[in-house]
Amino acid sequence: DTEVTQTPKHLVMGMTNKKSLKCEQHMGHRAMYWYKQKAKKPPELMFVYSYEKLSINESVPSRFSPECPNSSLLNLHLHALQPEDSALYLCASSLELQQGRGYTFGSGTRLTVV
Amino acid sequence: QKEVEQNSGPLSVPEGAIASLNCTYSDRGSQSFFWYRQYSGKSPELIMSIYSNGDKEDGRFTAQLNKASQYVSLLIRDSQPSDSATYLCAVPTNFGNEKLTFGTGTRLTIIP
Repeated sequence: DTEVTQTPKHLVMGMTNKKSLKCEQHMGHRAMYWYKQKAKKPPELMFVYSYEKLSINESVPSRFSPECPNSSLLNLHLHALQPEDSALYLCASSLELQQGRGYTFGSGTRLTVV
Repeated sequence: QKEVEQNSGPLSVPEGAIASLNCTYSDRGSQSFFWYRQYSGKSPELIMSIYSNGDKEDGRFTAQLNKASQYVSLLIRDSQPSDSATYLCAVPTNFGNEKLTFGTGTRLTIIP
């Protein structure tokens, strides 16, 4: 298995809703990442987990709450989002942090906040 | 100065020609460099990595690195219409190399 699987692929949510994005990999990777990508912009790092512990939070608003229940699973809990949070949310993984071998990205969740 | 800079394009290249994509970075301590390809509406796909000065070839792709000039490039030989995509340069930029920072990307169009 050489994939990072993200669900759902598309999500439309209201500003008062609570939803979660899910990311799963079975490659034995110990570092996992959430990126946000707006149209025609590069991916921007949100969170980094290493061995299930939060390593980096890029000053992301608290309406985004990450969770890493185990080494294969990464969630992003969403609450009270704003329309400007609409974007492609990308999960990625790598063998280790700092191993400098690049990431494997999932196919992303396209989020629309209405 | 941005940490990773690319010419945003668009860059149009005739089919069969060589496409040349360029990237500069600001962190002299960076040790690894990556090129990702992203088709419209899709996620980035790693196509090349390079760690040492010089050239690295993989099929029609050649990555070139010059650490003294803080410059990395990607050459695509015999360009095909399927190469039309946005190409993102990515460099680990913080102290522990934990953070992969992307350039703004170059949009490449191969003209049949």
